[in-house]
Amino acid sequence: ETGVTQSPTHLIKTRGQQVTLRCSSQSGHNTVSWYQQALGQGPQFIFQYYREEENGRGNFPPRFSGLQFPNYSSELNVNALELDDSALYLCASSLASRGMNTEAFFGQGTRLTVV
Amino acid sequence: AQSVTQLDSHVSVSEGTPVLLRCNYSSSYSPSLFWYVQHPNKGLQLLLKYTSAATLVKGINGFEAEFKKSETSFHLTKPSAHMSDAAEYFCVVSLLNKFYFGSGTKLNVKP
Repeated sequence: ETGVTQSPTHLIKTRGQQVTLRCSSQSGHNTVSWYQQALGQGPQFIFQYYREEENGRGNFPPRFSGLQFPNYSSELNVNALELDDSALYLCASSLASRGMNTEAFFGQGTRLTVV
Repeated sequence: AQSVTQLDSHVSVSEGTPVLLRCNYSSSYSPSLFWYVQHPNKGLQLLLKYTSAATLVKGINGFEAEFKKSETSFHLTKPSAHMSDAAEYFCVVSLLNKFYFGSGTKLNVKP
């Protein structure tokens, strides 16, 4: 167990709908990153939040947005869902330290299916 | 730019034989490199990490990886495969705590 929890574990949505995924980071961690893992592929970086501000973004459209709260938990929101958004969404928490890359601890993921 | 290439999408070994999973990286800076394992329907688990200390890194469950700057490689090895090692393995390069994953190598272990 990594101490990173994601909810829900599974979700089915219809094309065009909106979805919110949630992540509780490991105690003491100030950074949360979100990744999309399509079937048969490696996880792709969506964006990262550090102390409630976006701190880097991957190659994803603006309909992917997020929030980080004062307790460092986080949400991923996806608007206007498309069939290709079907994937496993992973949340990772870490303790950012200046100049150092620390390991990230991953949650079990949310399996999103868009029909 | 950061990127990772995992040279084999599938590797099959017999139980008790050595494992070699290959990874090459590209990074604009001194990289931090990781190997993660993902068992079916499970989350990602850290196997080991390289962060500019010793070039030979020991991880959990008997896995090791060697950082070779001249070859831009970070191959994962294990002397003797166990059935429980069957899983998907990801090589990862990190910059500013953002992780860039390879496409993964599925390891099959035959009895």
